[in-house]
Amino acid sequence: SQQGEEDPQALSIQEGENATMNCSYKTSINNLQWYRQNSGRGLVHLILIRSNEREKHSGRLRVTLDTSKKSSSLLITASRAADTASYFCATRLDNYGQNFVFGPGTRLSVLP
Amino acid sequence: DVKVTQSSRYLVKRTGEKVFLECVQDMDHENMFWYRQDPGLGLRLIYFSYDVKMKEKGDIPEGYSVSREKKERFSLILESASTNQTSMYLCATRQGGSPLHFGNGTRLTVT
Repeated sequence: SQQGEEDPQALSIQEGENATMNCSYKTSINNLQWYRQNSGRGLVHLILIRSNEREKHSGRLRVTLDTSKKSSSLLITASRAADTASYFCATRLDNYGQNFVFGPGTRLSVLP
Repeated sequence: DVKVTQSSRYLVKRTGEKVFLECVQDMDHENMFWYRQDPGLGLRLIYFSYDVKMKEKGDIPEGYSVSREKKERFSLILESASTNQTSMYLCATRQGGSPLHFGNGTRLTVT
């Protein structure tokens, strides 16, 4: 079974609106990362939040982490058409493992 | 910036062929990874390597092998391609505590 599961699977909003995507995971984590993938391309790292952090900001991105609920959310404020992409959360299970576990992703469409 | 280059964007091969997917990185990263990506399943780790000539199996190594003869190059080998190996293949690198850096992927179709 997958460690990370994003929700919703797909999201369609108008330019200027905020987009919120959620990620749930099953076991204890060291950190959680969000990645973005434009259609047919590789993934690009957006932001990392450690297990002892509750919230982190980077530009128009805001990530929260609730370890008691084993969940994280990614908020993109004032969305733009260029934000159209798939977004993935990834977790690493321990300090030494190299296996990052990815969810199936949320496909975001921002309509102009 | 880290550059991770995958040799082919699109590849079409026949069932039973031996297929080589190449990945080259320019930042001297120790760790290199091969993932496959399928709709609804996210990314699944096939193999990774933490040093030259070293490799570790990921979650789905069956039907694949890897080679890392030089630090900058990590090859994924499909010994005898099958239609269920049609997928997007992503190479990634990592050094220390850094995030993963991905190539642009190779979309492989096996007919």
